[in-house]
Amino acid sequence: DIQMTQSPSSLSASIGARVTITCRASQSIGTSLNWYQQRPGKAPKVLISGASNLQTGVPSRFSGSGSGTDFSLTISSVQPEDVATYYCQQSYRKDTFGQGTKLDIK
Amino acid sequence: QVQLQESGPGLVKPSQTLSLSCTVSGGSISSGEYYWSWIRQQPGKGLEWLGYIYSTGSAYYSPSVQSRISISTDRSQNQISLNLRSMTAADTAVYYCAGGLLRGDSGWYVSWGQGTLVTVSS
Repeated sequence: DIQMTQSPSSLSASIGARVTITCRASQSIGTSLNWYQQRPGKAPKVLISGASNLQTGVPSRFSGSGSGTDFSLTISSVQPEDVATYYCQQSYRKDTFGQGTKLDIK
Repeated sequence: QVQLQESGPGLVKPSQTLSLSCTVSGGSISSGEYYWSWIRQQPGKGLEWLGYIYSTGSAYYSPSVQSRISISTDRSQNQISLNLRSMTAADTAVYYCAGGLLRGDSGWYVSWGQGTLVTVSS
């Protein structure tokens, strides 16, 4: 099975800061990589599909990139409502989630 | 987007079988556009994919639970079901059903239930 490794596991950022979360697959998955945001007590919500496709309604400060084994999610200017845990997920062969990255505000 | 609602017992005894249902509204589970998953989240932990089923009825499971899981559909009720046998305390979690949009050979989850907490305890 395909393992997904996210880093960092947590980060603290100031309002307006740029942050990047990385996700590495244990084998090549093309662009079958999705990013989710999970706010406390809520179900996850998809932000990015296919590595770089922003979902409708998601603010443009979110962007995704990468292919093969290395991927990243960038928030260009962190806002208070971005406090959440972010997960990558591969859908190339069955599904696997990364362990999550918890973002809070300094 | 479709809406999903999980239902089932909140408490299960060790060694028993967990049975959960997920009712889908706003769309048919028979639509080839979607696939249907069960995903869980142990307290304070990350998301764990358990398995999914396609509209064809083909189901695929995570190696971590493959020996004791089954996922099925009831088209007459527009429901997806999860059975997980031989429950232990480690299976205590919030269980989500999720609808994935199929695009080519992969997909992503566009709809989630609100989740149901299942506690394993005697």
